[in-house]
Amino acid sequence: RKEVEQDPGPFNVPEGATVAFNCTYSNSASQSFFWYRQDCRKEPKLLMSVYSSGNEDGRFTAQLNRASQYISLLIRDSKLSDSATYLCVVSLAGYSTLTFGKGTMLLVSP
Amino acid sequence: DAGVTQSPTHLIKTRGQQVTLRCSPISGHKSVSWYQQVLGQGPQFIFQYYEKEERGRGNFPDRFSARQFPNYSSELNVNALLLGDSALYLCASSIPGRTEAFFGQGTRLTVV
Repeated sequence: RKEVEQDPGPFNVPEGATVAFNCTYSNSASQSFFWYRQDCRKEPKLLMSVYSSGNEDGRFTAQLNRASQYISLLIRDSKLSDSATYLCVVSLAGYSTLTFGKGTMLLVSP
Repeated sequence: DAGVTQSPTHLIKTRGQQVTLRCSPISGHKSVSWYQQVLGQGPQFIFQYYEKEERGRGNFPDRFSARQFPNYSSELNVNALLLGDSALYLCASSIPGRTEAFFGQGTRLTVV
């Protein structure tokens, strides 16, 4: 089993749609959780951290379920500029090394 | 403030050659990590350095080595290059105690 598994993509959605990404992790000792965004042939950039209570940043909402070892990212009112690969990332307590999922590509069309 | 900078941005090498990649972290960041990203996959952890000491190593062969300098910059060396080493090599810096990492633009290595 892979350490971090994400929905296979790509997701093709029209502008204005709501899209949800799912992610599961295998190591129950994981303590820090993130979503990174990666544009084509560019470096990953931190989109948001994910907290147990859930957190929201504008059109983006992240949820964490530690019991199910499940992380989600919801994007509302999709924009063309949201087209990118979304990477689910986890880290163990006390370490700053990151374990990435394979990523899910999002394509938003006019 | 400058972000993480990596050099070179692109590189073409022949099988069997050696390569050195360089990284300068964000000012004030003392931890540097290296990742390899092959096409279609997420980045995979190679090394982490903090205060010039190796603090973590991923599942990579001994052909891969790295070091960190007193100014916190870092080099990644890969010997005896294989075709499978073709990838985007990413450097990330972070503040000790914080897990958020900030990536450089990467070095795209092609082995022919």
